[in-house]
Amino acid sequence: EIVLTQSPDFQSVTPKEKVTITCRASQNIGSNLHWYQQKPGQSPKLLIKFASQSISGVSSRFSGSGSGTDFTLSINSLEAEDAAVYYCHQSSSFPFTFGPGTKVDIK
Amino acid sequence: EVQLEESGGGLLQPGRSLRLSCTVSGVTFGDYTWSWARQAPGKGLEWVGFIRGKVYGETTEYAASVRGRFIISRDDSNSIAYLQMNSLKTEDTAIYYCTRATPYFDLWGQGTPVTVSS
Repeated sequence: EIVLTQSPDFQSVTPKEKVTITCRASQNIGSNLHWYQQKPGQSPKLLIKFASQSISGVSSRFSGSGSGTDFTLSINSLEAEDAAVYYCHQSSSFPFTFGPGTKVDIK
Repeated sequence: EVQLEESGGGLLQPGRSLRLSCTVSGVTFGDYTWSWARQAPGKGLEWVGFIRGKVYGETTEYAASVRGRFIISRDDSNSIAYLQMNSLKTEDTAIYYCTRATPYFDLWGQGTPVTVSS
């Protein structure tokens, strides 16, 4: 099973700051890494597919990069509405797995 | 508008069975792979399994934690995906989400809660 680790676990950020979340895979997964946002009481929402591909309707402030084992989700100019838990997910091999999540709080 | 609506959740005792349904509208159901994921209270996301479309033989994949107990099926004529959960354990307590797997999860339902407790 491919294990995904995320850092940090928690980040408290001031509006307009940039947020960087990393996801590391226990083995090479190519670009088969996707990012989701989950706000309290809501279902997850797809933000980025295949490491860096944008999703229609998702703010351009969200971007992804990386390949192989190391990946990054960046949120530029953080807004209050970005307070959420962010998860990475790999679809390289079964079982699909998620990272443990990174909670982003707004100061 | 695409909608995924889960139903069938509830409270039941360990060892019992439950079937969840995911009714999909606004998309050609038969063209896609449909998946289930879950989230235990206060915890992260866990993939449960999925079922491929008819073109791929409606084959299934499961997480190790549910393999042999859970069965995913589909009814393309009614645009419904099912999750049959047998021999339920307390650790199966979670919100169960239906998702479209492409293979990323681009569509999600609102989830249905399942509580397994004696």
